[in-house]
Amino acid sequence: KNEVEQSPQNLTAQEGEFITINCSYSVGISALHWLQQHPGGGIVSLFMLSSGKKKHGRLIATINIQEKHSSLHITASHPRDSAVYICAVRLFGWYQGAQKLVFGQGTRLTINP
Amino acid sequence: EPEVTQTPSHQVTQMGQEVILRCVPISNHLYFYWYRQILGQKVEFLVSFYNNEISEKSEIFDDQFSVERPDGSNFTLKIRSTKLEDSAMYFCASSDKLAGDYSYEQYFGPGTRLTVT
Repeated sequence: KNEVEQSPQNLTAQEGEFITINCSYSVGISALHWLQQHPGGGIVSLFMLSSGKKKHGRLIATINIQEKHSSLHITASHPRDSAVYICAVRLFGWYQGAQKLVFGQGTRLTINP
Repeated sequence: EPEVTQTPSHQVTQMGQEVILRCVPISNHLYFYWYRQILGQKVEFLVSFYNNEISEKSEIFDDQFSVERPDGSNFTLKIRSTKLEDSAMYFCASSDKLAGDYSYEQYFGPGTRLTVT
């Protein structure tokens, strides 16, 4: 079983729609990342969360630690938001050394004009 | 804004050849990582590096792989004898030091697409 599961795997919407991408995880974590991957392949970090909610422009990320669930929302979606959105978690308890991320499989979002 | 850089952006090599993928992490970061993404699959952790030694490595990171920080700025991934299944996008990332139990954000490079023929 994957430690990090995202849904949906693919999402197509019309410009202006409100978008929600979900991430569930089955392990104890100390932080959760939302990442964006464009068609060229590069990865950009959008959010890092350990509790509550964060907002950057039209993007909102929430996390519920008790339910082991996070959501990424996009308001007033635009074709330039089309990308793969990836949820990744840092496992709890890594006090020493580096902190590997465990990735979900990604959600491919397409926003049509 | 500081960024992680990687070279080359695309490397084509023949099976059995050695390749070195290069990364320049953000200058004040202390933790370095390599991840890979096989086409159509999820990103996978390969190795993490701190204080001039490997902190953790995945089962993928076998004896054909090695990492090095040769000069205090570059961070390299060497694949000694490439196989067809090594074809993937390889991402370098770096992060700042730990603060309590909360990780600082990892910053990713643009990736090197490795094609093994």
